[in-house]
Amino acid sequence: SQELEQSPQSLIVQEGKNLTINCTSSKTLYGLYWYKQKYGEGLIFLMMLQKGGEEKSHEKITAKLDEKKQQSSLHITASQPSHAGIYLCGATSGGSNYKLTFGKGTLLTVNP
Amino acid sequence: DARVTQTPRHKVTEMGQEVTMRCQPILGHNTVFWYRQTMMQGLELLAYFRNRAPLDDSGMPKDRFSAEMPDATLATLKIQPSEPRDSAVYFCASGFWGPGYGYTFGSGTRLTVV
Repeated sequence: SQELEQSPQSLIVQEGKNLTINCTSSKTLYGLYWYKQKYGEGLIFLMMLQKGGEEKSHEKITAKLDEKKQQSSLHITASQPSHAGIYLCGATSGGSNYKLTFGKGTLLTVNP
Repeated sequence: DARVTQTPRHKVTEMGQEVTMRCQPILGHNTVFWYRQTMMQGLELLAYFRNRAPLDDSGMPKDRFSAEMPDATLATLKIQPSEPRDSAVYFCASGFWGPGYGYTFGSGTRLTVV
C-alpha cells in the first residue's frame, strides 16, 4: 500500500516567516491532495496536483509536485496566525483505484 | 455551500453498546469514504463506496465494524460491540470518483467509549 511521510511533524514559526512542509511517497503519486485541519474540525481541501512539475497556489499557499511524482512540497509565504493548524497530504493510488490515504500530518503553529 | 453532514457530532457510550454514525454526502457525489482519526495513528481509511457499492473495507475490524449505504443520501458506520480503543473522531468524506477532484469532509463524530 502507498505510504506517505510528512516532514516536519511539527513546526513553530514567527508571523511573517516563510515555511515549507514536505510529503514523500513510497510509490508514484497519481493524485496528491493537500488539506488543512483546525483542531476539532473537519479537513478543508486546499488543492490537488496530478502532473509532474505541476504547481498550484491558493492565496499565500503554493504546492508543487516534483517531476518524478514521488514528492510534494507546500510553501507558505509570509505566514499569519490564520495559517495555524494541521496540514495533511493525501494521495490516490494508480490505475482505476482512487482510494485516498493520508500522511500523519504536520502541526503548524504561528506565533504573533 | 454544499456540505457533508455527520451526526451525531459527539457520542459517549459504554463499552459493549452499539454505536451508529451517519453521514449525508453532498447531493450528486458518487464516492463516500469513512476515516478514523486518532493522535497515535493519524487518519486511517476504514471503508469507501462508489455508487453505493462497497469497494474496500479492509481498514475496518470486520468482527465489530460495518459500513453501509442504504441509499445515495445516507452512509452509516456501525460498531457493535464498542470498545474503549474505538474512541476516536470518525470522518466521512464525499466526492466524485476519478482524477482531478477534491473530496469534501464532514465535521466528524467524536466517539468516546467508556
